[in-house]
Amino acid sequence: SQQGEEDPQALSIQEGENATMNCSYKTSINNLQWYRQNSGRGLVHLILIRSNEREKHSGRLRVTLDTSKKSSSLLITASRAADTASYFCAGSEKLVFGKGTKLTVNP
Amino acid sequence: GAVVSQHPSWVICKSGTSVKIECRSLDFQATTMFWYRQFPKQSLMLMATSNEGSKATYEQGVEKDKFLINHASLTLSTLTVTSAHPEDSSFYICSARDTGVDYGYTFGSGTRLTVV
Repeated sequence: SQQGEEDPQALSIQEGENATMNCSYKTSINNLQWYRQNSGRGLVHLILIRSNEREKHSGRLRVTLDTSKKSSSLLITASRAADTASYFCAGSEKLVFGKGTKLTVNP
Repeated sequence: GAVVSQHPSWVICKSGTSVKIECRSLDFQATTMFWYRQFPKQSLMLMATSNEGSKATYEQGVEKDKFLINHASLTLSTLTVTSAHPEDSSFYICSARDTGVDYGYTFGSGTRLTVV
């Protein structure tokens, strides 16, 4: 399965702090993607990192990928209340999601 | 950017009736679309892969006759929940892949189905 498993399941921080979420997967992947979901809404694609990349940046997002450990991390810097959402990772062609990390950023 | 329109955003129906949910790719063609359902505070569960012009591929445990999928064109896939029951109440989301967005998938905004 290319399902990702995120941890922690819940994370609560203060505005301005950084938030780090982790993702582990079991099978080989061509790429790994991170998504966010606001409550009761669809998912929004955040960033994709390919299997031959180790780190990728997009605005306040930084994603790392360690294929030897089959893990990835998503770092959100200088968090804002609007970042409050659930975050999911998934791999490659068939998107199968883990339970996600529910991030709460307190103003 | 790639946009997927899902309709309706919410629907309430009576037990025993059928409900159709539409998923449209507005500015790109999608040979493949995916249907998910999500229970409160749970992850998205992949139900089926919808293939344009051919039969959908269902995940294990998903009833084909219960959840009818039709992908008649490159921009439209529909999910019909037949003979709905209260346990079918859930949040249904579709997604499609637009290769123009670096292999990312675009999701619809979801449909909240409540069966009473």
